[in-house]
Amino acid sequence: QKEVEQNSGPLSVPEGAIASLNCTYSDRGSQSFFWYRQYSGKSPELIMSIYSNGDKEDGRFTAQLNKASQYVSLLIRDSQPSDSATYLCAVKPRFNAGGTSYGKLTFGQGTILTVHP
Amino acid sequence: EAGVAQSPRYKIIEKRQSVAFWCNPISGHATLYWYQQILGQGPKLLIQFQNNGVVDDSQLPKDRFSAERLKGVDSTLKIQPAKLEDSAVYLCASSLDLADTQYFGPGTRLTVL
Repeated sequence: QKEVEQNSGPLSVPEGAIASLNCTYSDRGSQSFFWYRQYSGKSPELIMSIYSNGDKEDGRFTAQLNKASQYVSLLIRDSQPSDSATYLCAVKPRFNAGGTSYGKLTFGQGTILTVHP
Repeated sequence: EAGVAQSPRYKIIEKRQSVAFWCNPISGHATLYWYQQILGQGPKLLIQFQNNGVVDDSQLPKDRFSAERLKGVDSTLKIQPAKLEDSAVYLCASSLDLADTQYFGPGTRLTVL
């Protein structure tokens, strides 16, 4: 089982629709969850972070976390062609006594999103 | 504020050759990360530094990869000898500290022929 799993897509939605991206993770003790956007040929860019169960909204983006189900999602409302990119889910583990893995991000393979006019 | 700088941006080498990548993190950032991103996959952490000390290198293929961060600022990642499967984008990231947001550099695209 992969540590962080995403549907690789591609996910295609029309302009103005809601895009829903999903991610599951295996480490039940994970504490921090992130969504990065990566345009083709570019480096990942952080768009959302979430740390507690529930929803977190930022503009057109909403991150949802359900730790009991080990599930995190990203909703993009009013999708635009400029949102077309690969969306990477990343998980940070719990802090351990040695601190050796605290900063480590484990990424999913990414979901390719295409928003068509 | 200047971002994370990396060079070179592109590198093509033959297998069994050696190659080195350079990274300059955001000023004041104590934590520096090297990731490998193979086409179609998410980034995979190779090594993590806190100042000039290694925090995690559990996924670094130490028989061929090495990295250092002298003086706790710039870092270099070296591959010697390179294999075909090392073809990937090598991303450097930095954060203020272990718990903080990671900012990525533009990456170095390595092609091994």
